[in-house]
Amino acid sequence: DAKTTQPPSMDCAEGRAANLPCNHSTISGNEYVYWYRQIHSQGPQYIIHGLKNNETNEMASLIITEDRKSSTLILPHATLRDTAVYYCIVRVAKESGAGSYQLTFGKGTKLSVIP
Amino acid sequence: KAGVTQTPRYLIKTRGQQVTLSCSPISGHRSVSWYQQTPGQGLQFLFEYFSETQRNKGNFPGRFSGRQFSNSRSEMNVSTLELGDSALYLCASSLSTALRTPSNQYFGPGTRLLVL
Repeated sequence: DAKTTQPPSMDCAEGRAANLPCNHSTISGNEYVYWYRQIHSQGPQYIIHGLKNNETNEMASLIITEDRKSSTLILPHATLRDTAVYYCIVRVAKESGAGSYQLTFGKGTKLSVIP
Repeated sequence: KAGVTQTPRYLIKTRGQQVTLSCSPISGHRSVSWYQQTPGQGLQFLFEYFSETQRNKGNFPGRFSGRQFSNSRSEMNVSTLELGDSALYLCASSLSTALRTPSNQYFGPGTRLLVL
């Protein structure tokens, strides 16, 4: 059962900010939002995660709405190397109990960065 | 620190054969998870091992099995291969302690299996 909804594809001009949306309307209070990306034929790469506050690291920023039902991953200055499939995943806060150790991937958003 | 390594990177087998894939986690990581990726089904969780014990299992038939060794290295085995087992098999490792927020999973490059 998909717990997140993402657009299947998006385009972004090189050098511009890429804003990737994700809906997770059934998220629970103890679930984090994680973002991974997969560049063609490589293993998925961790980008960022958050619970309710906005987060920023060297790769991206994560904006989570106050009701936590949606979030946006922001790549501030997209480059051609950011072309990839981006996955938004919700995950329980504590690793315990069946199912909490796995990542459940949806279909993700295929981001194409255009020169 | 070296990343997750998987061997072999490419493999061709025929129907009915069996295959063993290997994964070496990042040094210090005790959890190893396996995923299957196909164009039709996407990325699907197979199983996860921690301290040589299977902690979690996805919805795959018993032909898919795995194990973990005392040095945290892991192997997965697929017996009686079917054409539909052709896929990219990904291994991910994480620190995984119950006292932390979920540990980030770091993926290897995968093993691409083709069943003829």
